[in-house]
Amino acid sequence: NAGVTQTPKFQVLKTGQSMTLQCAQDMNHNSMYWYRQDPGMGLRLIYYSASEGTTDKGEVPNGYNVSRLNKREFSLRLESAAPSQTSVYFCASSETGVSNQPQHFGDGTRLSIL
Amino acid sequence: TQLLEQSPQFLSIQEGENLTVYCNSSSVFSSLQWYRQEPGEGPVLLVTVVTGGEVKKLKRLTFQFGDARKDSSLHITAAQPGDTGLYLCAGPPTRIQGAQKLVFGQGTRLTINP
Repeated sequence: NAGVTQTPKFQVLKTGQSMTLQCAQDMNHNSMYWYRQDPGMGLRLIYYSASEGTTDKGEVPNGYNVSRLNKREFSLRLESAAPSQTSVYFCASSETGVSNQPQHFGDGTRLSIL
Repeated sequence: TQLLEQSPQFLSIQEGENLTVYCNSSSVFSSLQWYRQEPGEGPVLLVTVVTGGEVKKLKRLTFQFGDARKDSSLHITAAQPGDTGLYLCAGPPTRIQGAQKLVFGQGTRLTINP
């Protein structure tokens, strides 16, 4: 039971470098999400995709772009990494976009920007 | 400013004691979810409460949704070391459009000492 798989698990970047965080789910879910988690801040929504072919901004979208490649995959791209983007990034999915549906999370990508 | 405020942020108690953690807001929520997160992993859903005044039990954990749907509590009876983790409340505030969006509290980090 893979659920939600995120790659890589750890990454160190230099300021100004770019990278893409990958996320795939095998539960045939329609909706997918990207969050960042910082100490004392809980999780904050960066972008979400209610269904294949659609993406929308969340609470903290600046500095990020996303692609819903197909129903399974939702990637997050940092075009020019900044130290403020040092965080743990979580991908999640849910069966639909209805609010009381459970969200299923991956184990996170720990990203450090030097 | 956090839309959902959790208290306390940190709690360390001895095995066998009881505890309550709180999740409060000035906004009305159509539902609230509680997640538990262990180190190195993503959050896992424990429960969803939907109706004002609702009480749900999960073994030694009791969850309550406030009558006005602005707050929730989690009570643990006879805490065990396996209860250690970060507890997060989350919900879709009715004043924000988009049923898919969840806002999270900053979390309560609970440590149960043997």
